[in-house]
Amino acid sequence: SQKIEQNSEALNIQEGKTATLTCNYTNYSPAYLQWYRQDPGRGPVFLLLIRENEKEKRKERLKVTFDTTLKQSLFHITASQPADSATYLCALAEGGGANNLFFGTGTRLTVIP
Amino acid sequence: GAVVSQHPSWVICKSGTSVKIECRSLDFQATTMFWYRQFPKQSLMLMATSNEGSKATYEQGVEKDKFLINHASLTLSTLTVTSAHPEDSSFYICSAPASSYNSPLHFGNGTRLTVT
Repeated sequence: SQKIEQNSEALNIQEGKTATLTCNYTNYSPAYLQWYRQDPGRGPVFLLLIRENEKEKRKERLKVTFDTTLKQSLFHITASQPADSATYLCALAEGGGANNLFFGTGTRLTVIP
Repeated sequence: GAVVSQHPSWVICKSGTSVKIECRSLDFQATTMFWYRQFPKQSLMLMATSNEGSKATYEQGVEKDKFLINHASLTLSTLTVTSAHPEDSSFYICSAPASSYNSPLHFGNGTRLTVT
C-alpha cells in the first residue's frame, strides 16, 4: 500500500538550533515533493517544492533535500525561532503533472525559547 | 498572492441536516479545486477533486452522494455534506493550484463542522 510517513509526530528543539524533519514514502513515484506549514485551526501554507531531478532546495532558513533512491525527503530549519513552532507536512503527487496531493502524517515542531 | 477563501469558518448543525461549504479563488481562476478532510492530530485526507464544468472525482471510500461537490464557475467550488451525522464532524479544507498544473496548492482556512 502507499504510505507517506513523517517519522516524528512531535519534535522539540531549543531556539537557535537546526530542526530536521523526515519524510519517507513507499509505493509512490513522485515527480516532485512539497512541504507545507500548518498552524492550529488553519489551512496549510506552502513552503517549498523540490523536483525529482533536484537534490536540494533552499529558501532563507529552510532547506529541503530529496533522495528518490532512499524515497526520502529531509526538511531543515536553521537558526530556529519560537515562531517556527507549527506542524509541518510533506506532500507528494503521484506521477508527473498531477496536483492532487497526498499528505504525510505531519510533525509538530516546538521551538523552546 | 493567490488567495483561497473558504466560508463558513465554522458551523454547528443538527444531525440529519445538510451543510454547504464554499471555496472561492479570489484573484485567480481555478479549473480544479481539491477538498480535504482532517481529523484532530491527523493529516489531510484527500476527499475529491472538483472540476469546473464536469463531475468531481472522488477518492476511494468517499461517498459521492454524501459529499456533493459542485464547481459551477472558475472561482467557486462548493461541498455539501448531506444528511450530516456526528461522525461527519471534522475540519474540511479546500485548495486550488494557483497557476500551472504542477504549481503548489493554496489552501483555504478550513471549515470546522460539528454535527450534534
